[in-house]
Amino acid sequence: DTGVSQDPRHKITKRGQNVTFRCDPISEHNRLYWYRQTLGQGPEFLTYFQNEAQLEKSRLLSDRFSAERPKGSFSTLEIQRTEQGDSAMYLCASSFRQNTGELFFGEGSRLTVL
Amino acid sequence: DQQVKQNSPSLSVQEGRISILNCDYTNSMFDYFLWYKKYPAEGPTFLISISSIKDKNEDGRFTVFLNKSAKHLSLHIVPSQPGDSAVYFCAATSMGFNKFYFGSGTKLNVKP
Repeated sequence: DTGVSQDPRHKITKRGQNVTFRCDPISEHNRLYWYRQTLGQGPEFLTYFQNEAQLEKSRLLSDRFSAERPKGSFSTLEIQRTEQGDSAMYLCASSFRQNTGELFFGEGSRLTVL
Repeated sequence: DQQVKQNSPSLSVQEGRISILNCDYTNSMFDYFLWYKKYPAEGPTFLISISSIKDKNEDGRFTVFLNKSAKHLSLHIVPSQPGDSAVYFCAATSMGFNKFYFGSGTKLNVKP
């Protein structure tokens, strides 16, 4: 399977716990994006990497959220001290061909905070 | 601030007829637009795109129209098929592709 993969697919946690999601992009893609989607809404931008550099981060992202892409390959998104409002689908996407702008999305990691 | 809007949450069309999905944007800096299709339990998949230098792009049954003066784009699906039933998102970005803004989606139901 050469698509974007995300792990875990589902995560249920209690409020206050930390969670980490992993994204493995398509291997030759140098750009990686994290998006969040809640019910009835479109994907909302969280952050963007080009190789290992985090070039943009949403102002909506609180300090409890951090993302890394240490070697320019896979990426992790960590949420500390989770709140019920963090419950959402977290989508990862990657791209390479800048002239088309096409994003390739993974299937997402669904977070439920109890 | 919702910079990309899809005002129709749902659309129902008979198989074989045309489906028209609409999208409006507010930021005049956007110069590249995309449509994505999403099935349940899957991530969005790219469908078709258009740059601001064009006003139409066609790919098989799918055509995207861009009206820059009205800040409006539309996706036409002709003829519609039951397998087209999905949620459709429009997205906009500038040519740096640093950030994509998505609409809230339109759920298309194509009835056999």
